[in-house]
Amino acid sequence: AQKVTQAQTEISVVEKEDVTLDCVYETRDTTYYLFWYKQPPSGELVFLIRRNSFDEQNEISGRYSWNFQKSTSSFNFTITASQVVDSAVYFCALSENNYGQNFVFGPGTRLSVLP
Amino acid sequence: NAGVMQNPRHLVRRRGQEARLRCSPVKGHSHVYWYRQLPEEGLKFMVYLQKENIIDESGMPKERFSAEFPKEGPSILRIQQVVRGDSAAYFCASSPSTGWGTDTQYFGPGTRLTVL
Repeated sequence: AQKVTQAQTEISVVEKEDVTLDCVYETRDTTYYLFWYKQPPSGELVFLIRRNSFDEQNEISGRYSWNFQKSTSSFNFTITASQVVDSAVYFCALSENNYGQNFVFGPGTRLSVLP
Repeated sequence: NAGVMQNPRHLVRRRGQEARLRCSPVKGHSHVYWYRQLPEEGLKFMVYLQKENIIDESGMPKERFSAEFPKEGPSILRIQQVVRGDSAAYFCASSPSTGWGTDTQYFGPGTRLTVL
């Protein structure tokens, strides 16, 4: 069965600090997809990244970077030089390559960036 | 280029009433998903629909809940005889034609249902 674990319930950092949000997943499939979404205080869900299981290359987008390690079933998310606007709940999600398969979300990590 | 639209954004119902939540997917997307988010929790899958078909409703309660995605018009999530435990944020997502779990799902802003 699929499962996504985000062990960090809440993290607080001071502005300009780097912060890493952990995501560990479980799946029996060899083909799967991993996602990160951001939920700011306003409540909407903002798509950040999608990564398939065959692509272990790390990705950087501005201050955001993702480290995908199949060997440890982890897909961690790092924010460099954090800003107050990064304060949100961040969800990691997993989708297996099955017809009609839904997304399984982790419980989320609440990040507070203090000025 | 409109994203996923949901309305209403906030809905208040008394116990026993019906709640109707609407979702218009991204233009060109034919796959719709509904998720429920209880307070302080992650999202839980409810149902996956294509036009006029329910593909997977494994996450939806067997009673009182139903969903449709007609040929014309938005997808509707209907909750009959609401109870306080139905209070939650309900998110709709859409994806393009394949819908095989490989496409990114784009989420709407959610409908926050409060049952008094």
